[in-house]
Amino acid sequence: EPEVTQTPSHQVTQMGQEVILRCVPISNHLYFYWYRQILGQKVEFLVSFYNNEISEKSEIFDDQFSVERPDGSNFTLKIRSTKLEDSAMYFCASSKPLGSQETQYFGPGTRLLVL
Amino acid sequence: SQKIEQNSEALNIQEGKTATLTCNYTNYSPAYLQWYRQDPGRGPVFLLLIRENEKEKRKERLKVTFDTTLKQSLFHITASQPADSATYLCAPHRGGGSTLGRLYFGRGTQLTVWP
Repeated sequence: EPEVTQTPSHQVTQMGQEVILRCVPISNHLYFYWYRQILGQKVEFLVSFYNNEISEKSEIFDDQFSVERPDGSNFTLKIRSTKLEDSAMYFCASSKPLGSQETQYFGPGTRLLVL
Repeated sequence: SQKIEQNSEALNIQEGKTATLTCNYTNYSPAYLQWYRQDPGRGPVFLLLIRENEKEKRKERLKVTFDTTLKQSLFHITASQPADSATYLCAPHRGGGSTLGRLYFGRGTQLTVWP
């Protein structure tokens, strides 16, 4: 069964450094998302991406964040200058809506620790 | 803003019993609602989707109800097993004319099924 994959599974970085989190969505999906989950808290939406552009972003997704689909398979999240509060699990998701319904399929996540 | 409440943070039941989890939402008129399962350190896994015009949906030992008047969904696991132990998340979705959409998750209910 097709699944969303993410690399790396864990990333440790120093505050102020740039990180790139990578995702390979399910191959025939058209919509892509990033979510994050701070330890012990709920899963929060960051950004959605469709047709090679951002379609929606949350207040969390500030100028330090960017997303890209550099080729036909990868979808990346870049944090330019990491802060301590960026430490969280980051989940990529993808979907292929049927009519007006949409089920999002999540990857296993990247655990980011900013020191 | 949208608000999603799940009945309790933790629910402990004995194996073989039926687990009932509650999701209440406010400031929302979702066209459908989804339930996900999340295991520790993993991404959410889709379980069931129920539309606003459906009262009940079943899948194997799982049953979901959706009461748009009460603004509530109930999620039942019958004949529960220790392997059902996980956090369960509900996500009402605006759907409608929009096929894209961020998912708003509740904090989840952590279910523990003991032998």
